[in-house]
Amino acid sequence: ETGVTQSPTHLIKTRGQQVTLRCSSQSGHNTVSWYQQALGQGPQFIFQYYREEENGRGNFPPRFSGLQFPNYSSELNVNALELDDSALYLCASSLGGPIHNEQFFGPGTRLTVL
Amino acid sequence: QQQVKQSPQSLIVQKGGIPIINCAYENTAFDYFPWYQQFPGKGPALLIAIRPDVSEKKEGRFTISFNKSAKQFSLHIMDSQPGDSATYFCAAKGDKLIFGTGTRLQVFP
Repeated sequence: ETGVTQSPTHLIKTRGQQVTLRCSSQSGHNTVSWYQQALGQGPQFIFQYYREEENGRGNFPPRFSGLQFPNYSSELNVNALELDDSALYLCASSLGGPIHNEQFFGPGTRLTVL
Repeated sequence: QQQVKQSPQSLIVQKGGIPIINCAYENTAFDYFPWYQQFPGKGPALLIAIRPDVSEKKEGRFTISFNKSAKQFSLHIMDSQPGDSATYFCAAKGDKLIFGTGTRLQVFP
């Protein structure tokens, strides 16, 4: 059984650019959640995908968007990057839909916006 | 009302000590309270979790105490070891998982 994996590990972009981050969920998990973790802070919920549909969203603007694929892997897209978007982006997978609670996190993608 | 307040911000103990980390919440709709451990450069790892119908849960050296009426819960680490040095996050889940701000724990030999 493989855990949650994310790519790339690190990424450097400039203001105004667009970025796509990728996540492969743990084997058998059909729900993926994305979080933003600024330096020295706790993770903040961006959104969740269940069976390829967005199912819950945190307080993030529409330039943060996502996808979930039939194999349950997921992408996070951020348009028009701002300096404050610099953070660790975490993906977490869970089993059985939004009511199931245990979430397993990947190692994250460190995004730096210059 | 969606916040989870965590204290202290940092904690230093000697090996064998019992660090205690506290969290408080307002939203009574929260129904699941996990604790995560995060090492530098890694994602958070689930340590232990509790539901509000239970007042205490132990797993190995980790214990959660839960006070539903006070809307507070805490993590105790028994016989702490240098390898426990990490950042600990409490969290609470209703329709989404809300994290506390984290406690950086350092355990010295």
